[in-house]
Amino acid sequence: GQQVMQIPQYQHVQEGEDFTTYCNSSTTLSNIQWYKQRPGGHPVFLIQLVKSGEVKKQKRLTFQFGEAKKNSSLHITATQTTDVGTYFCADYYGGSQGNLIFGKGTKLSVKP
Amino acid sequence: DSGVTQTPKHLITATGQRVTLRCSPRSGDLSVYWYQQSLDQGLQFLIQYYNGEERAKGNILERFSAQQFPDLHSELNLSSLELGDSALYFCASSVRGLGGELFFGEGSRLTVL
Repeated sequence: GQQVMQIPQYQHVQEGEDFTTYCNSSTTLSNIQWYKQRPGGHPVFLIQLVKSGEVKKQKRLTFQFGEAKKNSSLHITATQTTDVGTYFCADYYGGSQGNLIFGKGTKLSVKP
Repeated sequence: DSGVTQTPKHLITATGQRVTLRCSPRSGDLSVYWYQQSLDQGLQFLIQYYNGEERAKGNILERFSAQQFPDLHSELNLSSLELGDSALYFCASSVRGLGGELFFGEGSRLTVL
């Protein structure tokens, strides 16, 4: 079945450094969604990308959807301790079905 | 507060037992999703309901079952529990049957001893 691969699994950065997580698929993605889960919390929706080559920004966060719709990335500029958490990408598998399949996530830790 | 309510928040039980987890979606949301998250693991999709009907099924064990009631709340039933079923079970809701963001509840943490 379709798998959404995320790398890296873990990332440790110093506060102020940049951070990027990548989401890759061997098949064409329908729409990519990104979620953030704080430690001890629940996943919270960040954004959805739909169009090939789409780029969206939310303050220090930049989301990109690849031209071939087989990859996506989330880049955080100048990380802060509030960015700590696990970032998941997710895609709907099967077109007409409702399985929103999540990648395994990238766990970000930020050292002050 | 996402508007999705899950009960109970914590549950401790023994192997072989049966438990029911409950989820109330956001007002107006027709879809309910169930996910399992084991320690330091990703979110494993279990099942989705839309307006009372099963819409999609993931790697849900035969010992697990779910349903969505006419008032749109959903229940996940876990039976013949094993140690490996210990996990955080999330419910999420969305307005549509396909597409759109999911709103997650705070989860039900199940511990099987």
